[in-house]
Amino acid sequence: NAGVTQTPKFQVLKTGQSMTLQCAQDMNHNSMYWYRQDPGMGLRLIYYSASEGTTDKGEVPNGYNVSRLNKREFSLRLESAAPSQTSVYFCASNTGNNEKLFFGSGTQLSVL
Amino acid sequence: GENVEQHPSTLSVQEGDSAVIKCTYSDSASNYFPWYKQELGKGPQLIIDIRSNVGEKKDQRIAVTLNKTAKHFSLHITETQPEDSAVYFCAARKADSWGKLQFGAGTQVVVTP
Repeated sequence: NAGVTQTPKFQVLKTGQSMTLQCAQDMNHNSMYWYRQDPGMGLRLIYYSASEGTTDKGEVPNGYNVSRLNKREFSLRLESAAPSQTSVYFCASNTGNNEKLFFGSGTQLSVL
Repeated sequence: GENVEQHPSTLSVQEGDSAVIKCTYSDSASNYFPWYKQELGKGPQLIIDIRSNVGEKKDQRIAVTLNKTAKHFSLHITETQPEDSAVYFCAARKADSWGKLQFGAGTQVVVTP
C-alpha cells in the first residue's frame, strides 16, 4: 500500500517548456488535490477534483491545467513554464468520510 | 476568502520544554482546523484536528485549543523531543468548502538536546 505516489521527484525546466506532473493514489479516495509550497507562504491549492470526472480551480490556478484520468490518477500540466512556477508541488487525496489529507512526497520543480 | 496567519515562523526549544504555535483565521464561517507536520523531504502529515464545536482536544503530548470568539487556535506540544523537529502548518476550512484547506505559512520547530 504505497499511498500517494508522485513522479518525478525533481525536475528542471527552461522557461517556455511544458511538462506534466503525475499523481496516483491506491487508497480508493474520491477526492484529489494539487498544492504548491513556497517559502513563507504555506501550501496553496492549485486545482482539485472532488470526484472522478470533475475538476475545479483552487486559489492559484493560472498557468496550470489538470486531468482526472480515472479514480486513481490526477495529473497537473504546465503548458509554458515560467520562473514564477518554481516551487515544490504536492498531490493529496482524501475520501468523503474523512477530511484527513494524505500527501505525496512532492515534486521539486525549478524553472530557469 | 479565508486568511490564516501563523506565528512564530521559527521556534527553537530545549528538549523537554513545551512549544506553542498560534494561528488566527479571518472567516467566522470556518469550522474545521487541522494541524499538519512536515518532516524534511516529505509531504505534510495530519497530527491533530479540531472542529468548531469543541474547545480543546488532546492526543498524548499534543493538544489543540480553539477560541471561536477571538478566531484563533493554538498547537501545544509538551515534553518536546528531537523527533518533534519539523515544520508545522495550521489550516482552516469553511463548512461549505469540504476538503479545501487554507494553510498558514508554517512554523519551523527545532528541538535542541
